[in-house]
Formats: sequence, C-alpha cells, structure tokens
Amino acid sequence: QSALTQPASLSGFPGQSITISCTGTSSDIGSYNLVSWYQQHPGKPPKFIFFEGRERPSGVSNRFSASKSGNTASLTISGLQADDEADYYCFSYAGSNTFVFGGGTTVAVL
Amino acid sequence: EVQLVQSGAEVKKPGESLKISCKGSGYSRSSYWIGWVRQMPGKGLEWMGDIYLSDSDTRYSPSFQGQVTISADKSTNSAHLQWSSLKASDTAMYWCARQEAGSDVFDVWGQGTMVIVSA
Repeated sequence: QSALTQPASLSGFPGQSITISCTGTSSDIGSYNLVSWYQQHPGKPPKFIFFEGRERPSGVSNRFSASKSGNTASLTISGLQADDEADYYCFSYAGSNTFVFGGGTTVAVL
Repeated sequence: EVQLVQSGAEVKKPGESLKISCKGSGYSRSSYWIGWVRQMPGKGLEWMGDIYLSDSDTRYSPSFQGQVTISADKSTNSAHLQWSSLKASDTAMYWCARQEAGSDVFDVWGQGTMVIVSA
C-alpha cells in the first residue's frame, strides 16, 4: 500500500494562491469521495482543515478549499499568509478497510 | 470539551514490550473510531490502524498488521497501541485521533506520545 503522491514542497508569496495535488489510484481516491486534508505546524499535532461536503472546522479559514478529479485530489490555499507555512497531508480511504496518507507537502511563504 | 489525552513519552530498549494509551473525553464513543498514526523523525504521517470503541472492531494497515496490536477499554473510553518486541525503527511520535465513522475524518487529535527505542 503506497502513500498518495504529493509534491514535496511548494512556495508562494503572501497573497498568492497555491494548489497542492494528491495523486492516488483508481483503488483509493478514484473510487471514493473520502479525501480529507490536514495541516501540521512543527512540533504540533495535525489539524483537520477540509473534507468535501462538510463544514470547515471552527477556526479554519475559508481560504482553504479542495476538489477532486479522477484519481487526484487538490487543496487550494488562497491569499497565502505567513501562518499557512506548514506541512499539509491528504488522507483517503483505500478500500478493504484500509486508509492511506499522502507523503506530505511543505508549504513555504516567501 | 472534546479531547484525547495520550500517555507520556517512553524510552525503551530493543526487545522490550510497550503499551501506550489514548483516553477520550467529552463525547459519546458511538459513531467514532480511534485511529493511530505514526510519524518517524522528520517524516510524514502513516496510518497504522484504528478501533471502534463500542465493539472493539479493528482495522490495520497491511504495513503494521502483525507488528502492533490495537485494543480498547470501553469502561475508560480508551484505546491502546502495543508492541511485544520493540525495534529501533519503532522510534517515532505516535498520534491518536478520533475518526468519524462514515467520513473517516480525523477531527480531534491527541497531543502525541514520543517513543524512543535505543540500546
């Protein structure tokens, strides 16, 4: 069971938008609408930030949005801010009662 | 307040056994699983498995099946992760998180338990 594929790192200037891709297969992302996204600052627990069709958790900005097409899910951060600098992970059901995380993307705000 | 509180950091020797815990409070255990996630130093998140506290139904990642045991204690709303024989490669931060049945979203996380395995 391989991790979902995410770019290792992305960067952007404050105010810009960036999109983090999360590529799986027809056995996971492609077959189920069960992708969630997490943000992790250094030394902290991950934090749930987005799941399609569900209200954003309290305190999570509406600058975060997500979508899915085929075997790829994407998280977009609009209006990049300094506090968005963190690691981001996608997570999906992978069938047969198993789940898989993406490898993680480190976002830097320039 | 909904929270998960994990047991404290551990330093063990290779070959030793270990059981760490995750205690939930502020919510009903029905409709939620408790999942375990490994994060090795400087690395990403890995789903290890989870348990449904109401009936102790468990699900394991193929990567961790047979390597760890996940159990639950309904009376204390707690989940446990245990090893029978630790290896140096088990050194990692272990997170527990509440996993909502249906969406499988991890909506509440514990503070993490650091496990160091060293001779």
